[in-house]
Amino acid sequence: DAGVIQSPRHEVTEMGQEVTLRCKPISGHNSLFWYRQTMMRGLELLIYFNNNVPIDDSGMPEDRFSAKMPNASFSTLKIQPSEPRDSAVYFCASRLGDSPSYEQYFGPGTRLTVT
Amino acid sequence: KNQVEQSPQSLIILEGKNCTLQCNYTVSPFSNLRWYKQDTGRGPVSLTIMTFSENTKSNGRYTATLDADTKQSSLHITASQLSDSASYICVVRRGAGNMLTFGGGTRLMVKP
Repeated sequence: DAGVIQSPRHEVTEMGQEVTLRCKPISGHNSLFWYRQTMMRGLELLIYFNNNVPIDDSGMPEDRFSAKMPNASFSTLKIQPSEPRDSAVYFCASRLGDSPSYEQYFGPGTRLTVT
Repeated sequence: KNQVEQSPQSLIILEGKNCTLQCNYTVSPFSNLRWYKQDTGRGPVSLTIMTFSENTKSNGRYTATLDADTKQSSLHITASQLSDSASYICVVRRGAGNMLTFGGGTRLMVKP
């Protein structure tokens, strides 16, 4: 299995532009998570899907952020318009089943730089 | 307030030496605690998971302990290797849902 796949691996954009991050979870996993990691705040959970349905989006920082999961094998995290403070590494993780005791498998992350 | 504090923030040791990383938490109600290893430029990978009733769990050269009374956990690395250089993150799950509280991590560097 290729693991969780994220694209792009690196993204540099100018303030005000729209940014779309992509994630392909591990086949058969039905829970998907988006995280953001910065030096200042560490890892933060942004949103969590189960069976393609957003369950908890309380970590989404503001309306500029939106996430979708149109099917079991694809999810996007969009930032519109982007701001310099959005610069971070964004991780996607997937999990088999809905039990919190199951392990989450993380992707390699997308490093976003907003200038 | 639900918090996870890790210490030290960074650590440098010589190859072959042992080290212990600390994690103190105030998360309540406690569900489980995981230690993750995050290599530079990679996503975190789970090393161990511990529930309330577990005191010690090993994964190769990694041994995690949990004291639920004092709300402390440690990760002991035995006979360190260069490949152990990474950030180690303590994550505590609160309650029955998916509420996770992340520690700030300890950055370990193993030198030859």
